Amino acid sequence: KAGVTQTPRYLIKTRGQQVTLSCSPISGHRSVSWYQQTPGQGLQFLFEYFSETQRNKGNFPGRFSGRQFSNSRSEMNVSTLELGDSALYLCASSFEGGYGEQYFGPGTRLTVT
Amino acid sequence: QQPVQSPQAVILREGEDAVINCSSSKALYSVHWYRQKHGEAPVFLMILLKGGEQKGHEKISASFNEKKQQSSLYLTASQLSYSGTYFCGTAGSGGNTGKLIFGQGTTLQVKP
Repeated sequence: KAGVTQTPRYLIKTRGQQVTLSCSPISGHRSVSWYQQTPGQGLQFLFEYFSETQRNKGNFPGRFSGRQFSNSRSEMNVSTLELGDSALYLCASSFEGGYGEQYFGPGTRLTVT
Repeated sequence: QQPVQSPQAVILREGEDAVINCSSSKALYSVHWYRQKHGEAPVFLMILLKGGEQKGHEKISASFNEKKQQSSLYLTASQLSYSGTYFCGTAGSGGNTGKLIFGQGTTLQVKP
């Protein structure tokens, strides 16, 4: 089976811009979770989508949003970028969500200047 | 509430054993263990579910004490490839099942 893929792998944006990141889960997986990883805060949960519905949400401002399509692919959007949004954004797919193992994609490295 | 991992860092010689602990103040449904090497994505190692079910790699063992909300990862006869940062992720029951909260990580370095 092909693994989780994320595009783009690297992105440089300017403060105030918006960005959209994409995640394609493992075939058959219906749950996609998004995480932000930074040296200072570690791995932080953003949100989880299951069958096109947001099932769980972390403690991030409304500038962070996401969606999931009928084929389980997911996108996350960050509007009005801030310098502090620079991070590695990881998505993970799972068949069952928190009841089952999550498989991470390689991540998108976002740099905000 | 973020789970607390201990120790923060471990240095081992090949063949030595290590234990990494993960402790939560909240009732847990599951504990997930991952290893991340520098510049790579976290890789799934083990999941332990309330009630005793476990899924994971054959060479990795772990325990989950439901009463204490603690989990431990046992790395025996360590190899150089075990080096990396280990994270535990915890999930509560009910509607929060898909929300994994990760600990701060434990850095393991295995030397020849």
